[in-house]
Amino acid sequence: DGGITQSPKYLFRKEGQNVTLSCEQNLNHDAMYWYRQDPGQGLRLIYYSQIVNDFQKGDIAEGYSVSREKKESFPLTVTSAQKNPTAFYLCASSRLAGGGAGELFFGEGSRLTVL
Amino acid sequence: AQSVTQLGSHVSVSEGALVLLRCNYSSSVPPYLFWYVQYPNQGLQLLLKYTTGATLVKGINGFEAEFKKSETSFHLTKPSAHMSDAAEYFCAVTDSGGGADGLTFGKGTHLIIQP
Repeated sequence: DGGITQSPKYLFRKEGQNVTLSCEQNLNHDAMYWYRQDPGQGLRLIYYSQIVNDFQKGDIAEGYSVSREKKESFPLTVTSAQKNPTAFYLCASSRLAGGGAGELFFGEGSRLTVL
Repeated sequence: AQSVTQLGSHVSVSEGALVLLRCNYSSSVPPYLFWYVQYPNQGLQLLLKYTTGATLVKGINGFEAEFKKSETSFHLTKPSAHMSDAAEYFCAVTDSGGGADGLTFGKGTHLIIQP
């Protein structure tokens, strides 16, 4: 079945450590996105990518980094510079043209807790 | 810039009663509008979407929404609530160009179903 796979589902990190969240899609979508979800805050865009080897900052990119070396993969690194990294992280993908453009398909999320 | 306002962070209804979740949007161009549902510790699942054409949109699980341009609204309704409808609901908007830079989400409404 086509979809988006995020790993790990749960992750614990000590302060000062970088962690990388994995996101893989087999939907052949061009665009991929990372959102952060906090209680009562909705979803906020961290980074997005419309094509391999290119990505743009979203609304809350500080303290995060991404790469897009393959169409299928868009990993997110939460760096030690992120002041409040404990959150639920959601990866999504979408087509860029044709029917269904704009609709996001989401993974199951990764919950990061900083100890 | 686009924005979404969801009225009521929590809505409680009795099982069998009408469900009404409110969403108002702001967009300088014709919008694409979406409703997503999220169950605890899971990703988001699309309920329904409006792009063009008929303003009354039907989705999964008996939900529907009506796009009202004059009111800049896209309220979500269901005639009869079921216990399984208890979840978090998000309204989202993008511009009619397809939203390559992702969707803008409201802060969410937690739907509580009382037996």
